[in-house]
Amino acid sequence: GENVEQHPSTLSVQEGDSAVIKCTYSDSASNYFPWYKQELGKGPQLIIDIRSNVGEKKDQRIAVTLNKTAKHFSLHITETQPEDSAVYFCAATTNAGGTSYGKLTFGQGTILTVHP
Amino acid sequence: DVKVTQSSRYLVKRTGEKVFLECVQDMDHENMFWYRQDPGLGLRLIYFSYDVKMKEKGDIPEGYSVSREKKERFSLILESASTNQTSMYLCASSLGQYSPLHFGNGTRLTVT
Repeated sequence: GENVEQHPSTLSVQEGDSAVIKCTYSDSASNYFPWYKQELGKGPQLIIDIRSNVGEKKDQRIAVTLNKTAKHFSLHITETQPEDSAVYFCAATTNAGGTSYGKLTFGQGTILTVHP
Repeated sequence: DVKVTQSSRYLVKRTGEKVFLECVQDMDHENMFWYRQDPGLGLRLIYFSYDVKMKEKGDIPEGYSVSREKKERFSLILESASTNQTSMYLCASSLGQYSPLHFGNGTRLTVT
């Protein structure tokens, strides 16, 4: 099955700096890569996603890049703010036999702390 | 806005008890999932369901079962709770393969 490795496990930055979180996956058939943010006491929430036919996607201060050859993808957050402090999870999924559902495999999570 | 509601925020149970974790979603989603979250291990899939009365094993189904009698409700059952099942349990629903997972706020289960 799919295996997703995420690094670093913790990341501490100053407000205004950039933050980068990296993930690698094992299944070359994986074709969808979402990122989730989990704030304290809440469930994870999707912040950005990318499909395998795209190399980069941006949404305001966040961007995701995908390198299919190397089987890794990264989350970039620019101009970090204290409210960006949270746990971030990457994930990967394959088209499970052409069914309408996807089985996501998550990374281990990164605790991001942005210091004012 | 999609709402996924988990019946309990915190639960404390004794070893050997049968435990039910309930989850309800209000957006008519086909797919529902149960994940377990442990520090350093991320979210691991226990079971999922893509239709009423249908269920599929995830990556760590041992010691768990599920029930989906109605489209909006997905229950996780611990037949005989053990201390190694102490964890945060997250329920989620989605519309389809490339649709976002909508998570509940989780149930923190402690088995003593």
